[in-house]
Amino acid sequence: DAMVIQNPRYQVTQFGKPVTLSCSQTLNHNVMYWYQQKSSQAPKLLFHYYDKDFNNEADTPDNFQSRRPNTSFCFLDIRSPGLGDAAMYLCATSRAGSTAKQYFGPGTRLTVL
Amino acid sequence: GESVGLHLPTLSVQEGDNSIINCAYSNSASDYFIWYKQESGKGPQFIIDIRSNMDKRQGQRVTVLLNKTVKHLSLQIAATQPGDSAVYFCAENDGGDDYKLSFGAGTTVTVRA
Repeated sequence: DAMVIQNPRYQVTQFGKPVTLSCSQTLNHNVMYWYQQKSSQAPKLLFHYYDKDFNNEADTPDNFQSRRPNTSFCFLDIRSPGLGDAAMYLCATSRAGSTAKQYFGPGTRLTVL
Repeated sequence: GESVGLHLPTLSVQEGDNSIINCAYSNSASDYFIWYKQESGKGPQFIIDIRSNMDKRQGQRVTVLLNKTVKHLSLQIAATQPGDSAVYFCAENDGGDDYKLSFGAGTTVTVRA
């Protein structure tokens, strides 16, 4: 039973061509996170939504944006992908008021040509 | 800033032996700790967690030990199996309202047959 779903699993885009990654969840969690993970590194938090409140990390480039139209869905928009944006993008959710335990999706592997 | 880190980047273990993965943290305000397992090409998978009011917690074949005096966390895997080969991350939360996790660098565990 999938709980955090990411689509697509693999995405190829061209340098400078906008791309959108999708995340959905069946857990009804109120917090959703987007991470960037490069090879052999720990996940790096880009931003998160606490309900409808958007919280950006200080070092997240403006090139990365996010939308959360409802509780279940969250999108990551990369406006002008560069070669350095090639990475695994992970979506996670948690239920505020419980613990900080986060449930991760399978990730989207982004390739930039 | 303070962060969570792992002592060793790699660990090679004979199948059937016990594995011990270590993690040091520096934030004395941390009150929740979690271990994730990440297999190649997949998202992090929850293994076990522990709150700061506990010293030890056991799961199926896994035990987490917390030593708050020296700010040390460890994950013990009993009777290591080939399926345990993965990267293991520890992460901590300082109890803040944002429920964010700070990840360590990860330890790659390789199980030898």
